Amino acid sequence: EAQVTQNPRYLITVTGKKLTVTCSQNMNHEYMSWYRQDPGLGLRQIYYSMNVEVTDKGDVPEGYKVSRKEKRNFPLILESPSPNQTSLYFCASSPTTDRVWNEQFFGPGTRLTVL
Amino acid sequence: ILNVEQSPQSLHVQEGDSTNFTCSFPSSNFYALHWYRWETAKSPEALFVMTLNGDEKKKGRISATLNTKEGYSYLYIKGSQPEDSATYLCAFYSGGKLIFGQGTELSVKP
Repeated sequence: EAQVTQNPRYLITVTGKKLTVTCSQNMNHEYMSWYRQDPGLGLRQIYYSMNVEVTDKGDVPEGYKVSRKEKRNFPLILESPSPNQTSLYFCASSPTTDRVWNEQFFGPGTRLTVL
Repeated sequence: ILNVEQSPQSLHVQEGDSTNFTCSFPSSNFYALHWYRWETAKSPEALFVMTLNGDEKKKGRISATLNTKEGYSYLYIKGSQPEDSATYLCAFYSGGKLIFGQGTELSVKP
């Protein structure tokens, strides 16, 4: 089944404890992206990657890191989480052909709480 | 900072009503506009990808139009049903970034 998976789905952690949220897709998509969703603010892009070893900042990259060493995986790293990073996080992927930006396929979401 | 605006923020209609929402986006450097449907406790799912001025797309009772010169897109739902209740998001591509509007939350009462 074609899908985007994220782990963990729920996480409660404490300030300053490094964590990684994994994202994997099995559709051979070039484009992958991370978003956070906060009430009243909608979906905001954190980082995106157009292909392996190519990453770029979205609108809210502060406090986050990403890597794209393999095409299928795009982990989101919080080196020192803070309470303002409490949010619902979505990973998404998309094929890109001839620079036509196709629909995004979203993962199930990760609800993160930082105490 | 590029801005994508959606209106109204929320809408309550009766079953059978037809309704429409607006998405406004920057009219310069247009690549694509997406519409997504997002049900509570689920992930957003794509409805339409629109790339050309004058594009009209349709999926069942839902359709969308695009005007890239003036920077707006309309989403129409004909004969709303309770299962149409969801948040409808539009998103504008600017280079590699995807910028979402805040969404229109639709509630359809039986």
